Amino acid sequence: SALTQPRSVSGYPGQSVTISCTAASGESWSSNFVSWYQYRPGKAPRLLIQDVYKRSSGVPNRFSGSKFDSTASLTISGLQAEDESDYYCCSYAGEYSYVFGSGTTVIVL
Amino acid sequence: EVQLLESGGGSVQRGGSLRLSCVGSGSGFIFKNEAMSWVRQAPGKGLEWVASINGHGSTTNHANSVRGRFTVSRDNSKNILYLQMNDLTTEDTAKYYCAKAWLVFESWGQGTLVSVSS
Repeated sequence: SALTQPRSVSGYPGQSVTISCTAASGESWSSNFVSWYQYRPGKAPRLLIQDVYKRSSGVPNRFSGSKFDSTASLTISGLQAEDESDYYCCSYAGEYSYVFGSGTTVIVL
Repeated sequence: EVQLLESGGGSVQRGGSLRLSCVGSGSGFIFKNEAMSWVRQAPGKGLEWVASINGHGSTTNHANSVRGRFTVSRDNSKNILYLQMNDLTTEDTAKYYCAKAWLVFESWGQGTLVSVSS
């Protein structure tokens, strides 16, 4: 099943931005194995959040995750210039399969 | 820390084949115990899961877009993950990453580029 993210979100330094990740219309999304990745061109993707809300080691606590019903969210509080990047949600879909979201570019104004 | 190093990428014509490799190493990393995956990113597109394999190599799964053409495998005696790619199309042009993956893609390599020309 597809996971849809906004193409881009933007904010000023110090503000908060939230990236949504929504399952296809009409589909339930029961998996709590939801993760978020930061991806900069030329670099390996970086795991930020796993199991909906658990921050990976070394990830600043201004990154937080949540999920309600068919939508997962990544919130970046206290936005910093270094947060400008692409972000992807991902869900484990069972039987060693996964689905990634469409990706969101965060722009720091 | 887990270290993953991909190789085997390159340029190939449509219909051709390539085999990607990913060597795993690192303190505390027991390769044979870990499920592994391949993920790709095509130019201008998002991340796409390609294939996964369990630690023993007895269970695999492949994305619909590559099923029947790509095969994931592993050699635990050498700590190597493979992706055999056959009947390549221009749609397979991408950077391919291997990742340590069970429920979440915990560690990633730097990727290897595959370019398929028509």
